[in-house]
Amino acid sequence: GENVEQHPSTLSVQEGDSAVIKCTYSDSASNYFPWYKQELGKRPQLIIDIRSNVGEKKDQRIAVTLNKTAKHFSLHITETQPEDSAVYFCAAIGNQFYFGTGTSLTVIP
Amino acid sequence: SAVISQKPSRDICQRGTSLTIQCQVDSQVTMMFWYRQQPGQSLTLIATANQGSEATYESGFVIDKFPISRPNLTFSTLTVSNMSPEDSSIYLCSVRRGSYNEQFFGPGTRLTVL
Repeated sequence: GENVEQHPSTLSVQEGDSAVIKCTYSDSASNYFPWYKQELGKRPQLIIDIRSNVGEKKDQRIAVTLNKTAKHFSLHITETQPEDSAVYFCAAIGNQFYFGTGTSLTVIP
Repeated sequence: SAVISQKPSRDICQRGTSLTIQCQVDSQVTMMFWYRQQPGQSLTLIATANQGSEATYESGFVIDKFPISRPNLTFSTLTVSNMSPEDSSIYLCSVRRGSYNEQFFGPGTRLTVL
């Protein structure tokens, strides 16, 4: 069925390094791709999103890229900090709403 | 964004009992959504609550187990009925706003069933 695959499921990086999380979707009707950050015990929070008419979007240390042809989109976090440690979820939205399986990111001080 | 509150924030319940979770939104929305998030897992949509009509349930979820009310455009409840330990989870309500259906979540209700 329709879903969003997210990789990796866990990721550990040294503070200051970059982290990349990738998602692949299958529903060609998807045209909006948000990313959520969920800290332990808290609700998912929207951190950045990208529309299908844009290939890349950046907000300070966070960037998202979208390849509609390949149905791939990615989250890039540069200069990681310990407070970036959380679970990150991607989503693909069109006629349906699909969540990725999540990536647990740990930034090691 | 949206301001969403949920009550209770957490509860510990006995097997066989029921718990009703309330969700309040700061402004009117057509649809409200209920999700379940089991430990270490992603978000699973339980049902969509529409004001003035029956809720729409996703595969694997039934009204008898998860009855939903939607009495007005800012409020909804989800009841977890006849609970078992497998129902232990975080339950989140959610709304979507904006031209691209940006989704916002309530703080969640952490349910533990003994």
